[in-house]
Amino acid sequence: DAGVIQSPRHEVTEMGQEVTLRCKPISGHDYLFWYRQTMMRGLELLIYFNNNVPIDDSGMPEDRFSAKMPNASFSNLKIQPSEPRDSAVYFCASKGSGANVLTFGAGSRLTVL
Amino acid sequence: GENVEQHPSTLSVQEGDSAVIKCTYSDSASNYFPWYKQELGKGPQLIIDIRSNVGEKKDQRIAVTLNKTAKHFSLHITETQPEDSAVYFCAAQAGTALIFGKGTTLSVSS
Repeated sequence: DAGVIQSPRHEVTEMGQEVTLRCKPISGHDYLFWYRQTMMRGLELLIYFNNNVPIDDSGMPEDRFSAKMPNASFSNLKIQPSEPRDSAVYFCASKGSGANVLTFGAGSRLTVL
Repeated sequence: GENVEQHPSTLSVQEGDSAVIKCTYSDSASNYFPWYKQELGKGPQLIIDIRSNVGEKKDQRIAVTLNKTAKHFSLHITETQPEDSAVYFCAAQAGTALIFGKGTTLSVSS
């Protein structure tokens, strides 16, 4: 398995633009998590899905953020409009039912100018 | 919800010394406590974990201890090597999601 695949690896955009981050979980994993990493706040849980259904989105910072999982092989995280304070590394992670171990992707580094 | 505090935020040691990172958690229902290592430009990877029915676990140069009464757990790395330099995260799980500490940047100088 290629692991958790995230794209793009790096994104530089201007304030006000829409940003879309993508994730392909490990095949067979039915939990998918989105985390955001910053120096100040560390690794924050944004949202997680089980069997493509959002279970807990209490970590999503505001309405500008949205996430979907249209099928078991794909999830996206959108920010619209983006702001400089959204600059961070966004990680996607997945795990199987009954398992505790999270497998993380390599992350998407977002810079909003 | 769960809150995890991690200390120190940075740690510098000489090669061969030991390193200790400490975490506390708030939710007494948490029963799983993993440690992840993040190398530069990569996602975090699990290095060791411990469950609430165990007080200590070792894997070669790495050990974790858990004190459920005090709600704290620690990572111990002995005989540190330059390749141990990375960011280390502790986490706690009550339910499905892992809640992470803010991380410790460990630097091992030779």
